[in-house]
Amino acid sequence: DQQVKQNSPSLSVQEGRISILNCDYTNSMFDYFLWYKKYPAEGPTFLISISSIKDKNEDGRFTVFLNKSAKHLSLHIVPSQPGDSAVYFCAARGNQAGTALIFGKGTTLSVSS
Amino acid sequence: ETGVTQSPTHLIKTRGQQVTLRCSSQSGHNTVSWYQQALGQGPQFIFQYYREEENGRGNFPPRFSGLQFPNYSSELNVNALELDDSALYLCASSWGQLNEQFFGPGTRLTVL
Repeated sequence: DQQVKQNSPSLSVQEGRISILNCDYTNSMFDYFLWYKKYPAEGPTFLISISSIKDKNEDGRFTVFLNKSAKHLSLHIVPSQPGDSAVYFCAARGNQAGTALIFGKGTTLSVSS
Repeated sequence: ETGVTQSPTHLIKTRGQQVTLRCSSQSGHNTVSWYQQALGQGPQFIFQYYREEENGRGNFPPRFSGLQFPNYSSELNVNALELDDSALYLCASSWGQLNEQFFGPGTRLTVL
């Protein structure tokens, strides 16, 4: 059973528009959520995170929204750029030492110019 | 500042063999986590080492084992390789067990 779900395997967006990537989770013990970006032949790169005590976190063009009651988070990229084309992973963990970082299957974002 | 490095980049083994993958953590990091990423899947947590002790483990059999050395570098050992072990193996380091993890480029293991 998947504890972190990214239901859209792919997303295509035009340059300059907004990209919205979605993620759902089932485990109510998760209290920290992260987004990673992965290019081919590279490891995942940390993008942005949010603690369960917040509902929004912004970093430049990237904003993560958390809806705890719906167990849903989303990553907004505005404006989207061709260099944003990559696989985006949503990840979550609890607050115990040694706890696993649980990843979704990823969403492939393609930004066309 | 040197990032996380992994060796080798690619590896081909046959079923039943044993393999050792290596990871050098980012300077100043004392925690290493290992993940397995099968094709089309997200990374799956194997285990985490903090100050040379395993302090967390995912749903992987005992034939997956590891070590962390005093300089915080780490090894992942897999015995009795199976075809399903073919995957990208990722190492991530962090300062502390709950802080942001920085990933290496991975080792692509193919089991024939």
